[in-house]
Amino acid sequence: DAKTTQPNSMESNEEEPVHLPCNHSTISGTDYIHWYRQLPSQGPEYVIHGLTSNVNNRMASLAIAEDRKSSTLILHRATLRDAAVYYCILRDFQGGSEKLVFGKGTKLTVNP
Amino acid sequence: DSGVTQTPKHLITATGQRVTLRCSPRSGDLSVYWYQQSLDQGLQFLIQYYNGEERAKGNILERFSAQQFPDLHSELNLSSLELGDSALYFCASSAGTAANQPQHFGDGTRLSIL
Repeated sequence: DAKTTQPNSMESNEEEPVHLPCNHSTISGTDYIHWYRQLPSQGPEYVIHGLTSNVNNRMASLAIAEDRKSSTLILHRATLRDAAVYYCILRDFQGGSEKLVFGKGTKLTVNP
Repeated sequence: DSGVTQTPKHLITATGQRVTLRCSPRSGDLSVYWYQQSLDQGLQFLIQYYNGEERAKGNILERFSAQQFPDLHSELNLSSLELGDSALYFCASSAGTAANQPQHFGDGTRLSIL
């Protein structure tokens, strides 16, 4: 499984935008970029995914670098409820590996 | 609410015992995944079933087994329990097996071995 690198922790203030980076320099052409988050005492929650183009949904935006070696999850206005561990995960659509391989993720703290 | 139901929420038992964790996937989802989350190992994939058949295995111990039934619910059986098996066990489901399909997780079963 291709590897991702994320900062261990980040801090933000409520109602400000948050940019969570992820490096995946060994990404292959068949890897989707997925983001999940895990709130305290809950199971992981799907946030967003993309392949080559930037993506938006009701939760967040995903900006993918042109060379696909990095991506950024954007929370447009952080709330206290967004405090969680955020995981950037690559999934190969040709490899038949549907499992999610979780790293340590980025722990996001949101200050009121 | 993810639509994935796991029971029980908490389980306390002793070493050497056997337990069964149950998962009901989201309506219509054919794939079920089991993950283990411990403090030292993080979230790790155990096993996947698709429409009743085992599809992929991760670092699942031989003492652990799982199955998916015709109604698509799944059970994870853990036997000869050891202290190190104390962890959160999550079930996830997805519609199929494509890499662009999200997995939806339950709230987990917290297993404590005394």
